[in-house]
Amino acid sequence: GAVVSQHPSWVICKSGTSVKIECRSLDFQATTMFWYRQFPKQSLMLMATSNEGSKATYEQGVEKDKFLINHASLTLSTLTVTSAHPEDSSFYICSASIGGPGYTFGSGTRLTVV
Amino acid sequence: QKEVEQDPGPLSVPEGAIVSLNCTYSNSAFQYFMWYRQYSRKGPELLMYTYSSGNKEDGRFTAQVDKSSKYISLFIRDSQPSDSATYLCAMSASGANNLFFGTGTRLTVIP
Repeated sequence: GAVVSQHPSWVICKSGTSVKIECRSLDFQATTMFWYRQFPKQSLMLMATSNEGSKATYEQGVEKDKFLINHASLTLSTLTVTSAHPEDSSFYICSASIGGPGYTFGSGTRLTVV
Repeated sequence: QKEVEQDPGPLSVPEGAIVSLNCTYSNSAFQYFMWYRQYSRKGPELLMYTYSSGNKEDGRFTAQVDKSSKYISLFIRDSQPSDSATYLCAMSASGANNLFFGTGTRLTVIP
């Protein structure tokens, strides 16, 4: 079945540094990928829609200059958290459409900013 | 009012019990209804999806959608300890990419 590989699975960084999270579609081409954030005991919240070869579409309230998204190929989307702060600590998950309404998700990245 | 409401639980049941998980929603444009299972510190995996109203069965899992009441359910028969996870409902309008998720219900099946 369709697999989305997300890396790293966890990362700890110092406040003020940047962190890059990668999301790859392993056996299919994903023209569109989605980035979500999930705080403990809360729902998945869509941050942005990543479109191959064009600018990402950000949801209201998400800072595009802080959360940089690049979708340079049909199999790779990256999310860079710039100048990370402790309040950015969260679980970040990417997903891709596999045709129809059934999206497939990556395994997530737990970011801790200290 | 949130787009999707889901009781966060937690819910604990003995092994073999029938589990009922539910979500309500407010947007009548939603046409696709999904249930995801999420183990701790992992991404969600799609369990089932239904289009519009009706029932769908897959092994021990049954999904029900009642659009008139804006209410969806997931039933798990003969629950197993391996079913212990957080279950998220999600829905989207026809042709839309954005999924709206419930907060998830944490289920524990006790051996």
